[in-house]
Amino acid sequence: DAKTTQPPSMDCAEGRAANLPCNHSTISGNEYVYWYRQIHSQGPQYIIHGLKNNETNEMASLIITEDRKSSTLILPHATLRDTAVYYCIVTKGGRTGSARQLTFGSGTQLTVLP
Amino acid sequence: GAVVSQHPSWVICKSGTSVKIECRSLDFQATTMFWYRQFPKQSLMLMATSNEGSKATYEQGVEKDKFLINHASLTLSTLTVTSAHPEDSSFYICSAGLTGTKGYGYTFGSGTRLTVV
Repeated sequence: DAKTTQPPSMDCAEGRAANLPCNHSTISGNEYVYWYRQIHSQGPQYIIHGLKNNETNEMASLIITEDRKSSTLILPHATLRDTAVYYCIVTKGGRTGSARQLTFGSGTQLTVLP
Repeated sequence: GAVVSQHPSWVICKSGTSVKIECRSLDFQATTMFWYRQFPKQSLMLMATSNEGSKATYEQGVEKDKFLINHASLTLSTLTVTSAHPEDSSFYICSAGLTGTKGYGYTFGSGTRLTVV
């Protein structure tokens, strides 16, 4: 699986958009980009994933660059409850693949400030 | 949505005893279950992968005789830490892969905090 690089920490003001970057320059054509977050002492929570098109759900938006070498997770209106470690993970799988383990990097500690 | 129920959420045990952690998929069948371990201030590290009805595959450095994994049904996987020692104290998390209309997602249990005294 491709390696990802994320900033170790970020701050964001409550109510503002939080933009979390991820670099995955060695991603291959059949690898998906997944985003998870982990609130302290809890299991990771799925946020969103995508292959090459931008994706949006009720939690966030995922913007993937055209060359797929980087992506940005956007939390449109951050709240204090969004304070967590955010993990960007690249892995094969998807529609026709089989379940694969997710390799977690260090992630980004997002702190939403009041 | 798909939920993995993990129990217990925390456990304290004496050194030398065994502890069993259960993960149940509540509304789907989990063909594959992953077990992770997380030490304080560190990221999740994969311990093993189990497929229903098969022997688990362990990552390098994980003792299969110490961390017993059973995945006898599509809705239940268990991890037993045998002869636990203080260095086994950690946060253990299970995860199941599941298919959907947009390909694979992965859902995680809430984790088990193990403290060996």
